[in-house]
Amino acid sequence: SYELTQPPSVSVSAGQTASITCSGDKLGDHYACWYQQKPGQPPLLVIYQDNTRPSGIPERFSGSTSGNTATLTVSGTQAMDEAVYYCQAWGSSTPIIFGGGTKLTVL
Amino acid sequence: EVQLLESGGGLVQPGGSLRLSCAASGFTFDSYVMNWVRQAPGKGLEWVSGISGSGGSTYYADSVKGRFTISRDISKNTLFLQMNSLRAEDTAVYYCAKDTIIAARPYYFDFWGQGILVTVSS
Repeated sequence: SYELTQPPSVSVSAGQTASITCSGDKLGDHYACWYQQKPGQPPLLVIYQDNTRPSGIPERFSGSTSGNTATLTVSGTQAMDEAVYYCQAWGSSTPIIFGGGTKLTVL
Repeated sequence: EVQLLESGGGLVQPGGSLRLSCAASGFTFDSYVMNWVRQAPGKGLEWVSGISGSGGSTYYADSVKGRFTISRDISKNTLFLQMNSLRAEDTAVYYCAKDTIIAARPYYFDFWGQGILVTVSS
């Protein structure tokens, strides 16, 4: 079955740049998106179609894809960015797939 | 303002049934694919099911295929998930989620409800 692989955790110092990766065999064929989830809250879409930010999402969030790896980059990371981030892709045999999630810790 | 409000969750015994509802407002309901996504306690997100704007096309995760049925009532702007033959592993918070783009299948989800807890236990 198709899977998306994320690192369980990433740490970054406040003000620095955080990068979270998402690997999957067919990511190069389909756009990925990213969600932010804080405790007790539903997920929030922060990037879709590789690098499109929904209205209200700060410019410090950006996305990219190279080969079979999608990357979420948070520039100038702030304490409020501490959360779990999930990548998600769409496919043919499995319509929607989520990665396992990455806990971003801001030091 | 887009609003999605889930209801119908609760405690059910293994093998039992439950019907979730999601009342939608603030957008043209029949233009967008609607979805159910669940999250087991302390775990990640799992997409469960999606339905096209007209209701003519439905999509399911393998883990629920044959047990769950998604539907929508366009006249009432409401999404449903009928869950039968429930198992302990179906215990999760269930979210209703709206698709971002107008299309015939699920892609990305720009608005989510607050979620409703379903507990399957004897």
